This record gives sequence, C-alpha cells and structure tokens, in this order.
Amino acid sequence: DAKTTQPPSMDCAEGRAANLPCNHSTISGNEYVYWYRQIHSQGPQYIIHGLKNNETNEMASLIITEDRKSSTLILPHATLRDTAVYYCIVTFRGSGYSTLTFGKGTMLLVSP
Amino acid sequence: GAGVSQSPRYKVAKRGQDVALRCDPISGHVSLFWYQQALGQGPEFLTYFQNEAQLDKSGLPSDRFFAERPEGSVSTLKIQRTQQEDSAVYLCASTQSGAGLETQYFGPGTRLLVL
Repeated sequence: DAKTTQPPSMDCAEGRAANLPCNHSTISGNEYVYWYRQIHSQGPQYIIHGLKNNETNEMASLIITEDRKSSTLILPHATLRDTAVYYCIVTFRGSGYSTLTFGKGTMLLVSP
Repeated sequence: GAGVSQSPRYKVAKRGQDVALRCDPISGHVSLFWYQQALGQGPEFLTYFQNEAQLDKSGLPSDRFFAERPEGSVSTLKIQRTQQEDSAVYLCASTQSGAGLETQYFGPGTRLLVL
C-alpha cells in the first residue's frame, strides 16, 4: 500500500543537478513529504521535508507542486558520495509518534 | 557527537538458533524504533518504544520476535528459533522525544544471515 511512486533508478553526472521525482497523488492535507537516503551498508539518513512550500537546506531542495500530488528532490551539484537509494515518504505529522513507511526508493548512481 | 550504534554488525545463525541484536540510541533520546530491511527492499517498521514502554509492536512478524528496552536507553531485539526468512538487515533509529514527526537517526544496522 505504498503512498508514493518513484522511478527505480536514475543516473547523474558528477557536478550536475540530480532531480528525483516522486508521485504522491493520494496525499492528504495534513501529510508531509519526507526524503531520506541510504548509502550502501549504512542506515537511512534524513535529507529534507515539507508540507506545501518549497524547502531548501544545506543538502538539497524540495519542490512540491501546488496540488501537492508530486514533488522533486534536487541535489544541486551531485557528487560521487551522493550515490544512494533515495526514499520519498508521505506521513502524517500529529502530536504523537509517527513511523516511516519506506517504499523501494530510487537508486541514484552518480558517475564521473 | 555519537550517533546510534548497533551490535553486532553481522550475525550468522543456524536455523533454529536464538539471536539478540543490540541498539544503543543517541544519549537522551526518548523514542526508539526497530525496522527490518529485506534485500532490495525499503525498511519496514517492527516496533516502537517511548522510554521503557513498548507502545507499538504491530510490525513484529511473529511471536518469535521480542524487543525490550528495560531502562529506557539500550534496546535489544531478540529472535527465537530463527528461520531463513528472518535473514535481513535490522535497523534501529531514535528520536529526541515522542512528540510529532521528528527526524529519525538510524544506526548502521545488523545484517543477519540465517543458514
């Protein structure tokens, strides 16, 4: 019952921007979009999250469409160390705890 | 600062053996999660602790899986009578409190192989 759809794999040249798409057409008004990534043999690492506005931090930018049915994670200058599986997660943010429901993610390969 | 640590990093067990996997969360973190990650799949939620209380164990696949966090810090995930389908990476994550959707900080995982 995945709430998100991502391409299984993408390639990007080192130094170029990597744009990772995510479809979440059934997202509800109180659900956030979170992105985590998992480098080989490591645990997942938080990247960024947003509700409806575009967000930017030191790692990436998150662009959410106006209807909130899709989003794009942007790594502005991809490096070899950005090679990882990227997970787009939609989750409710309430007052209590929330678990993360991961899909299969997108395997991003950054090459020289 | 120290992150989430897990031990052992690798465990090989014979079918039918019991195993215990340890998680040391970030110091002071109230919440602790366990996830199971099969090969080629994303992590799947197993169980959640707030301090020493196990508030959610809805993801535990069978009664062979048991988790505890007796003093509200270190947690142990125990699998009894291991089966081949238990082979996976077991991930632990912690968050500062139990309120709202905070960033989860993950450990490196324990890779379990059941022969």
